[in-house]
Amino acid sequence: SQTIHQWPATLVQPVGSPLSLECTVEGTSNPNLYWYRQAAGRGLQLLFYSVGIGQISSEVPQNLSASRPQDRQFILSSKKLLLSDSGFYLCAWTGPPNTEAFFGQGTRLTVV
Amino acid sequence: AQSVSQHNHHVILSEAASLELGCNYSYGGTVNLFWYVQYPGQHLQLLLKYFSGDPLVKGIKGFEAEFIKSKFSFNLRKPSVQWSDTAEYFCAVPATGFQKLVFGTGTRLLVSP
Repeated sequence: SQTIHQWPATLVQPVGSPLSLECTVEGTSNPNLYWYRQAAGRGLQLLFYSVGIGQISSEVPQNLSASRPQDRQFILSSKKLLLSDSGFYLCAWTGPPNTEAFFGQGTRLTVV
Repeated sequence: AQSVSQHNHHVILSEAASLELGCNYSYGGTVNLFWYVQYPGQHLQLLLKYFSGDPLVKGIKGFEAEFIKSKFSFNLRKPSVQWSDTAEYFCAVPATGFQKLVFGTGTRLLVSP
């Protein structure tokens, strides 16, 4: 069966520090991968998605970047965190087009 | 671009009350629709989905949704809610050639015992 792992679960980082959140999927190949940010009252904002290795689409301009170095690995990064980067980040994957998305447990990022 | 809107941001109901959460989508062509639920402290999970066929879709835990093409709507319903239905509910639609999933702003449902 397919599983998705996202870590860490919580993270507290100072302003200006780098960020690396990792997400891996097991039990499937060539998934579509997604990074969302969830904020109260704003729902799930799609940040990045990827349909293949090295293929990244950015949805909103921001201080973050994403990379997909391997088929089932998706990384969310920042060189210098801002206070406004605080939030709850979710990784997700889908299989063939138009199928349901499966979500990781999320990372609560607090920038101080 | 495809989008979804959820009109109710916060809903408070008593147990046994009926529920209807609104969802409207913008795309007028072939459309597939999802409802996801996030229970407190848990990850997002699929509640139900519509791809084609019968516009009345049954999901888990007694939930259902009706796809009304003429109204661009996919409202979520449950005849009698329980305290355990307290959660946040999200409507979603695929976009950009089904490469990504776009979510609404969510509805927080609080069911009081």
